Amino acid sequence: DAGVTQSPTHLIKTRGQQVTLRCSPKSGHDTVSWYQQALGQGPQFIFQYYEEEERQRGNFPDRFSGHQFPNYSSELNVNALLLGDSALYLCASSLSLNLHNEQFFGPGTRLTVL
Amino acid sequence: AQSVAQPEDQVNVAEGNPLTVKCTYSVSGNPYLFWHVQYPNRGLQFLLKYITGDNLVKGSYGFEAEFNKSQTSFHLKKPSALVSDSALYFCAVGRKTSYDKVIFGPGTSLSVIP
Repeated sequence: DAGVTQSPTHLIKTRGQQVTLRCSPKSGHDTVSWYQQALGQGPQFIFQYYEEEERQRGNFPDRFSGHQFPNYSSELNVNALLLGDSALYLCASSLSLNLHNEQFFGPGTRLTVL
Repeated sequence: AQSVAQPEDQVNVAEGNPLTVKCTYSVSGNPYLFWHVQYPNRGLQFLLKYITGDNLVKGSYGFEAEFNKSQTSFHLKKPSALVSDSALYFCAVGRKTSYDKVIFGPGTSLSVIP
């Protein structure tokens, strides 16, 4: 049973560019959350998708957007990249929106903005 | 507002000795509390959670945590540390009313010395 997978593993972009990160949830999971983890910090919640809709959102600008597909996989898009967007982006999946259910994290995508 | 503090950036312990990684939180209402571990170049792994019930929670890999409501703490403990426990540990708090309010602490780096 594959866990949460993310692609690509690493990515280098320049300021002003746009980037798309991808996540496939653990089998049987229908909820995907995205986190940004800057170097030396804890993960910060970006948003959460359930039933193909954004259900919750953290304190991130509209440059950060996402999508969930019918097969529950998800994309994170970031427009007009800034140097400060350099971070490890983590995807987590769970079953439904209930906090009782454990989140499973992917290995992350390391984004570097030059 | 929710917040999580991990007062120690670094914890060093000798192999075989007990370990404690500290966490204090601030949240209105009843909290959900979590511990995750992150190994180098990998995503977060769930260790344990407190939702309700017994204050002592047992989790993966022999770890446990004690919820103390009066001290608003949720310290992670293990009776006998292993070298393989060396990693970054994150405490997180959520509110039972709003999933988007899961806040991670800054992390504590644990080094177990042979």
